[in-house]
Amino acid sequence: SYVLTQPPSVSVAPGKTARITCGGNNIGSKSVHWYQQKPGQAPVLVIYYDSDRPSGIPERFSGSNSGNTATLTISRVEAGDEADYYCQVWDSSSDPYVVFGGGTKLTVL
Amino acid sequence: QLQLQESGPGLVKPSETLSLTCTVSGGSISSSSYYWGWIRQPPGKGLEWIGSIYYSGSTYYNPSLKSRVTISVDTSKNQFSLKLSSVTAADTAVYYCARHVSDTAMVIHWFDPWGQGTLVTVSS
Repeated sequence: SYVLTQPPSVSVAPGKTARITCGGNNIGSKSVHWYQQKPGQAPVLVIYYDSDRPSGIPERFSGSNSGNTATLTISRVEAGDEADYYCQVWDSSSDPYVVFGGGTKLTVL
Repeated sequence: QLQLQESGPGLVKPSETLSLTCTVSGGSISSSSYYWGWIRQPPGKGLEWIGSIYYSGSTYYNPSLKSRVTISVDTSKNQFSLKLSSVTAADTAVYYCARHVSDTAMVIHWFDPWGQGTLVTVSS
């Protein structure tokens, strides 16, 4: 089965840039999607197709994907960005299925 | 604006079957562009996809849960449902329903939007 690996936590000061990684075997060949989940709330899609933003998501959120690592970048971090972030791919194996990373807690210092 | 709402019992006994329904509003579940999915999240843990269904009844299931899961759709009510059999305490989680979006080649899939989630506790 395909495994996505995320760091458990990332900390960043307000106004700085946060980078959250998602590792997987040749993940660059897959399309990666990212979700933000604030405490007590449902996940919200913030990036799809590696780097596209849904309407309503600030331009501060961007994504990239190459080789064995996909990255969610949040520029000019705000206190309101503090949340858990999950990456997700589709594994097109003989028994295809959705895979989520373990999640990264972003703390704004 | 598309909205999804989960409903069902919040408490289920061990070995019984968990049953939830997701009601879709603001759009048709019979849209040819989308699947409809279930995802769960145990308390304090990460997300786990359970399975997804197309309006025609075609399904994808998580291989690790496949033997216990049945997802069905009722287009007349704009609803889809989840049944998870032989539950244990490990099935205690917040269960979310979501629109499952895919590309035409069916190799790229994501979820947007999500319902608010419903907590299901497995306990005697």
